[in-house]
Amino acid sequence: AQSVTQPDIHITVSEGASLELRCNYSYGATPYLFWYVQSPGQGLQLLLKYFSGDTLVQGIKGFEAEFKRSQSSFNLRKPSVHWSDAAEYFCAVGASSFSSGGGADGLTFGKGTHLIIQP
Amino acid sequence: DTEVTQTPKHLVMGMTNKKSLKCEQHMGHRAMYWYKQKAKKPPELMFVYSYEKLSINESVPSRFSPECPNSSLLNLHLHALQPEDSALYLCASSLGVDQPQHFGDGTRLSIL
Repeated sequence: AQSVTQPDIHITVSEGASLELRCNYSYGATPYLFWYVQSPGQGLQLLLKYFSGDTLVQGIKGFEAEFKRSQSSFNLRKPSVHWSDAAEYFCAVGASSFSSGGGADGLTFGKGTHLIIQP
Repeated sequence: DTEVTQTPKHLVMGMTNKKSLKCEQHMGHRAMYWYKQKAKKPPELMFVYSYEKLSINESVPSRFSPECPNSSLLNLHLHALQPEDSALYLCASSLGVDQPQHFGDGTRLSIL
């Protein structure tokens, strides 16, 4: 079964500083990888996705992520954070999740990283 | 603004009540999902409808019952829930099961 590990529960960054959020996955084949952001009381917003091809993917709000197969990683980066980036960030892998029904994919999420922005 | 609409936004119900959560999307997506999210935890997949065929997370108790009346609508019927079922219930949809999922803002459910 697939799994996702986000080793950092909390990260504090000063406004204007660079950011990197770590994500490691475990999956037998080439995974579909995603980063989502969730503000308090809200649903999840897709930041970016990796399916295949170029291993450096660009997303919304100035975020990018790099897929490294050799390290089973998909880290999220932003060169300069803004106070509005404070939120919960989830890395997710998309793959077959259930044995019943066959072949239907859902998302398996990491536990999330809570990003705090210092003024 | 989200393109996946969930109603109601908040729901408080007793353990003997029957209620339904609703989800609607008009993006032509053919896969729809229910997730449960407890506070400070990631979402956990409950059910998937793909081309109106249901797949079930077998750990979900039978007091949760999904329904997909058509490709744009998804319901979650609730009956005899327990206090531990209090959570944020998220609906999502995607073009296909291998495509990015778009989430609604969720229904905050509280069981008294």
